[in-house]
Amino acid sequence: GAGVSQSPSNKVTEKGKDVELRCDPISGHTALYWYRQSLGQGLEFLIYFQGNSAPDKSGLPSDRFSAERTGGSVSTLTIQRTQQEDSAVYLCASSRTVTNEQFFGPGTRLTVL
Amino acid sequence: AQSVAQPEDQVNVAEGNPLTVKCTYSVSGNPYLFWYVQYPNRGLQFLLKYITGDNLVKGSYGFEAEFNKSQTSFHLKKPSALVSDSALYFCAVRALNRDDKIIFGKGTRLHILP
Repeated sequence: GAGVSQSPSNKVTEKGKDVELRCDPISGHTALYWYRQSLGQGLEFLIYFQGNSAPDKSGLPSDRFSAERTGGSVSTLTIQRTQQEDSAVYLCASSRTVTNEQFFGPGTRLTVL
Repeated sequence: AQSVAQPEDQVNVAEGNPLTVKCTYSVSGNPYLFWYVQYPNRGLQFLLKYITGDNLVKGSYGFEAEFNKSQTSFHLKKPSALVSDSALYFCAVRALNRDDKIIFGKGTRLHILP
């Protein structure tokens, strides 16, 4: 079956612009995570959705970052007024439940000029 | 609070030798433990997990990991390393029966030397 998909695969933007990153999780997966990874380094947790519960936003680095998950499926990560330090690969993952392994998407490479 | 530590940023092993990538954790109660691998220019892939049962867990690509409750460790192992095992490895943990997110370690870069 289809895996986790993310779009766009690459995004180049100018400093100060807003960007939207999309994640389509595997159908039926109730948990969805967003992470950020810089230059093949570790995973930085951003936000976590579990079913209909309020999302865990504890990893969002600033109020310029927000995310929503509509209908318990597709999620959008929005970065407002992008800065150069926002440049990274943004990874989305989903799992059947919180106790199952995560399936990762290919990521969106964001470059802020 | 949950935490996971991968004490080595990088591990170098000669091809054909056994390899170990270390992971220790801290959770309240019993843990779910995971290993993931990221090959160069590829996405993160699940390798194996421990939930309950046998302390030795076997996973993909010939990898295995041993859960040691007394040492709160979950080291990744392989009897004979291949050059193609060179990648970035992540350990992850979450507490059983808690509605908490999974916590990832910072990753260990494994270099297998031909």
